Amino acid sequence: QKEVEQDPGPLSVPEGAIVSLNCTYSNSAFQYFMWYRQYSRKGPELLMYTYSSGNKEDGRFTAQVDKSSKYISLFIRDSQPSDSATYLCAMIGGFYDQGGKLIFGQGTELSVKP
Amino acid sequence: ETGVTQTPRHLVMGMTNKKSLKCEQHLGHNAMYWYKQSAKKPLELMFVYSLEERVENNSVPSRFSPECPNSSHLFLHLHTLQPEDSALYLCASSQDHPLSGTSTDTQYFGPGTRLTVL
Repeated sequence: QKEVEQDPGPLSVPEGAIVSLNCTYSNSAFQYFMWYRQYSRKGPELLMYTYSSGNKEDGRFTAQVDKSSKYISLFIRDSQPSDSATYLCAMIGGFYDQGGKLIFGQGTELSVKP
Repeated sequence: ETGVTQTPRHLVMGMTNKKSLKCEQHLGHNAMYWYKQSAKKPLELMFVYSLEERVENNSVPSRFSPECPNSSHLFLHLHTLQPEDSALYLCASSQDHPLSGTSTDTQYFGPGTRLTVL
């Protein structure tokens, strides 16, 4: 079983739709959860960062963590064509777990059609 | 120049060639990382340097040889690569390595080097 599972997509939605991107994980030691956005031919850029369970909102983006279910989500409201990219979830455990290594999901390819 | 830069952006090499990838970070960070990103696969961590000392080597073949001469620069020396080594190689940096005991640090990535091995 992979430590982090993410549906690779591709996911295609019309402009203005609400997008839901998800990851599940198996290691209960993960405490810090991130979402990265990667445009074609570019490196990943940090989008959202959440510690432990709960929600975090930043503009049109909301990150949600449910540690009891080992499930994290990224919601994009009023999606725009410029949101078309690959979205990677990433997580990291405590300092003494796996050497504090950042574990990535496979990435979900999102396409927002005008 | 700001952030994390990588050169070259594209590289094509034969299996007998020797080449080097360069990464430079302008963020004053203490930790630097090399990742490999193959198509349809998660990012794979290759090497981690913290304060110029290698702290992780994730079973990477010896044909990949990292070098960190100072906290701002990181190199990946390549020799006798295989076609399956073709991938996007990403460099990242963070303020500190998580093992340093500080709060976890997010990593900031460079644009990557697209490597093709013929």
